[in-house]
Amino acid sequence: GQQVMQIPQYQHVQEGEDFTTYCNSSTTLSNIQWYKQRPGGHPVFLIQLVKSGEVKKQKRLTFQFGEAKKNSSLHITATQTTDVGTYFCAGNNPAGNTPLVFGKGTRLSVIA
Amino acid sequence: DTEVTQTPKHLVMGMTNKKSLKCEQHMGHRAMYWYKQKAKKPPELMFVYSYEKLSINESVPSRFSPECPNSSLLNLHLHALQPEDSALYLCASREIAGSSYEQYFGPGTRLTVT
Repeated sequence: GQQVMQIPQYQHVQEGEDFTTYCNSSTTLSNIQWYKQRPGGHPVFLIQLVKSGEVKKQKRLTFQFGEAKKNSSLHITATQTTDVGTYFCAGNNPAGNTPLVFGKGTRLSVIA
Repeated sequence: DTEVTQTPKHLVMGMTNKKSLKCEQHMGHRAMYWYKQKAKKPPELMFVYSYEKLSINESVPSRFSPECPNSSLLNLHLHALQPEDSALYLCASREIAGSSYEQYFGPGTRLTVT
């Protein structure tokens, strides 16, 4: 079945440093989504990427979808303590109404 | 209203108890989901309802029984659970029509089985 790999598993950064998490699917995706889960919280939708090579920005966050629609990345510029949490990518298979497949997540901690 | 609500927030139950988790959304979403999430793991899909019909059951043990009474409500009935079933149970919903696949998650029910 479809698998979505995500690295790194953990990332510790100093406040102000940049952070990137990478997602790679074993199959071509119809779209990829990114979610953030704060400690003790629930996943919150950040963004959806649909087009090959798509790049979207939200303030300090930059999301990319690969040309082959099999990989994606989330880059945070100048991290802040409010960025702490686990970032999950989740992909949809193009074949029909299939459920989301989540990556294992990258847990980000930011040291002030 | 872009909120998914879940009750209770916390639940402690014994292995012989019967309890139910409840989920509600008023966004008109016609797909609703139950996920189980263990600590430091991603959400793990259990069930999907589309237009109030069960469309996906990810080989979940029968001690978990979902129910969708109407388009706004989703229940998860629990019976004879095991300690390893302790987890955060998340409900989510999404619009089926349209181009957005965004799922809206509720805050979850933190379940402890003793």
